[in-house]
Amino acid sequence: EVPLVESGGGLVKPGGSLTVSCAASGFTFSNAWMNWVRQAPGEGLEWVGLIKSKTNGGTTDYAAPVKGRFTISRDDSKNTLYLQMNSLQTEDTAVYYCVTESLGAFHVWGQGTVVTVSS
Amino acid sequence: QSALTQPASVSGSPGQSITISCTGTSSDIGHYNYVSWYQQHPGKAPKLMISEVSNRPSGISNRFSGSKSGNTASLTISGLQAEDEADYYCSSYTGSSTLLYVFGGGTKVTVL
Repeated sequence: EVPLVESGGGLVKPGGSLTVSCAASGFTFSNAWMNWVRQAPGEGLEWVGLIKSKTNGGTTDYAAPVKGRFTISRDDSKNTLYLQMNSLQTEDTAVYYCVTESLGAFHVWGQGTVVTVSS
Repeated sequence: QSALTQPASVSGSPGQSITISCTGTSSDIGHYNYVSWYQQHPGKAPKLMISEVSNRPSGISNRFSGSKSGNTASLTISGLQAEDEADYYCSSYTGSSTLLYVFGGGTKVTVL
């Protein structure tokens, strides 16, 4: 059983929107602090944002390049994490990974979903 | 907040030890013990190798070790093996409202 499975990636035009999902299994999703990390083609890793567990307030934090355009949410009843992306730019083209985080480290990674922003 | 600085590449022969450095600032590596290291093979998702500067998660070989001095963290791979050939990334918590976590640019490890 794969703990995290992303879906929903695809090709979108600049200025468009896309929502990707991450289905969790095999652990108590509601207790997990969840993050999105992305990797542009041939580039390194970039932290996108996080959502805390509801017991810790369920608050979100975002990296400056995506703040105001991206929204992270979670549905603990469905064990699913979401990343809603608006006003997409070509520089948002990347593999998007959902990841669990604890004590400052990213422990469990999904296989990633590819988002391509191009006209 | 700038990316952490790693060497682009490091190489070594099988059985040797290599060390990858990761330099940050007094606002990230120098301030917090939340430094972690990740291994990534081509086309695969990253894998946590070291957390909290020097802790190895369950299942990670003791050939991998981490340390920190001042604003610089290091990952040492001893007894280098062919399967260790991969990209390695460091990361640090920053506490910054604009970038809570920062990664290094990555180091390509080549086993000669």
